[in-house]
Amino acid sequence: DVKVTQSSRYLVKRTGEKVFLECVQDMDHENMFWYRQDPGLGLRLIYFSYDVKMKEKGDIPEGYSVSREKKERFSLILESASTNQTSMYLCASREGGAFGANVLTFGAGSRLTVL
Amino acid sequence: GQQVMQIPQYQHVQEGEDFTTYCNSSTTLSNIQWYKQRPGGHPVFLIQLVKSGEVKKQKRLTFQFGEAKKNSSLHITATQTTDVGTYFCAGLPNDYKLSFGAGTTVTVRA
Repeated sequence: DVKVTQSSRYLVKRTGEKVFLECVQDMDHENMFWYRQDPGLGLRLIYFSYDVKMKEKGDIPEGYSVSREKKERFSLILESASTNQTSMYLCASREGGAFGANVLTFGAGSRLTVL
Repeated sequence: GQQVMQIPQYQHVQEGEDFTTYCNSSTTLSNIQWYKQRPGGHPVFLIQLVKSGEVKKQKRLTFQFGEAKKNSSLHITATQTTDVGTYFCAGLPNDYKLSFGAGTTVTVRA
């Protein structure tokens, strides 16, 4: 089974801090995604990467950046955390090829609280 | 903005009853996927529908893709406490990004 591991399950940060959320997948998937999940809003795509060093903005990229230096690792960066970035962050991966043809495998999530 | 709308947002069901959650898109979808997220867990893939009018069953769960490929439904019969969780539909419009609905959170009264 594909395993998607998110480095931190719970984080508490202060406003203005730089935050790194790390995600690693072990099945050589080409595509990786970062979503945030908020009550009543479902899952909203922040950024995705379809290959190493490639990235594309999702629906809500403002305030975030990403890094994909290696195929297995996709990092989400909050340059200066703000309280409205308090949320559950979910990483997911998917095989490449025809976009959307393959399913997403999610990590356990990282719950970030910004004070 | 969100292209896939899901209703209802909450579904309170008596154990043993049936219910349906609906997913609607303003644009034609290439396919639609359904995920389930248990309380405290992460979304887990349930099924994918690709063909117009397609119907698939998983035990007590019946998934349907509309003829126009703009809507989908999930029907659960004889609801059990194991069905508790949030069910998300995720549609693929003409671009390559899955668009998730807001989810239907199901609670079950024993």
